[in-house]
Amino acid sequence: AQSVTQPDIHITVSEGASLELRCNYSYGATPYLFWYVQSPGQGLQLLLKYFSGDTLVQGIKGFEAEFKRSQSSFNLRKPSVHWSDAAEYFCAVGAEETSGSRLTFGEGTQLTVNP
Amino acid sequence: DGGITQSPKYLFRKEGQNVTLSCEQNLNHDAMYWYRQDPGQGLRLIYYSQIVNDFQKGDIAEGYSVSREKKESFPLTVTSAQKNPTAFYLCASGSRRAGELFFGEGSRLTVL
Repeated sequence: AQSVTQPDIHITVSEGASLELRCNYSYGATPYLFWYVQSPGQGLQLLLKYFSGDTLVQGIKGFEAEFKRSQSSFNLRKPSVHWSDAAEYFCAVGAEETSGSRLTFGEGTQLTVNP
Repeated sequence: DGGITQSPKYLFRKEGQNVTLSCEQNLNHDAMYWYRQDPGQGLRLIYYSQIVNDFQKGDIAEGYSVSREKKESFPLTVTSAQKNPTAFYLCASGSRRAGELFFGEGSRLTVL
């Protein structure tokens, strides 16, 4: 079975600083990987996804993520954080072998941005 | 606009009452999902359906029931058997092939 670990429950950064949110997955074959963002009381919005090909993927709002098979990681990065990036971030893994778009989510990382 | 509509957004119920949360999508997706979200626990899968008239239990199905009579609709009933029903419930839809999920805005259920 696939699983996802987000080691950081809460991260605080200053506005304008760089950001990296960690995600480690467990799956035997090539996974499909996603990052979602959630504002309080809202649904989840897709930031970016990795299916295959180039291991560095670009997403919306200036985010990018890099798939590293050797480390089973898919870390999310942003060069310069804006106050509006404060939210909860979820990494998720899926696999075609386990019924299509069924995803397993990590426990989330809460991002606080200081002015 | 295409999307997923969940209703109601907020729901208060007394203990022992069954409640039904609505989820409708106009994205023409075959698959639909219900997740439960609790603080610090991420999203946990309750039920999912990949085709009309068929659905499967997820990781925490006890105390919940669903139906899938139409492609567009996947209602979730929280029964009185659910021990701790107060939570934020998220409905999602997607392709039967691997791909991303699209989420509704969620329904917050509070049992008094």
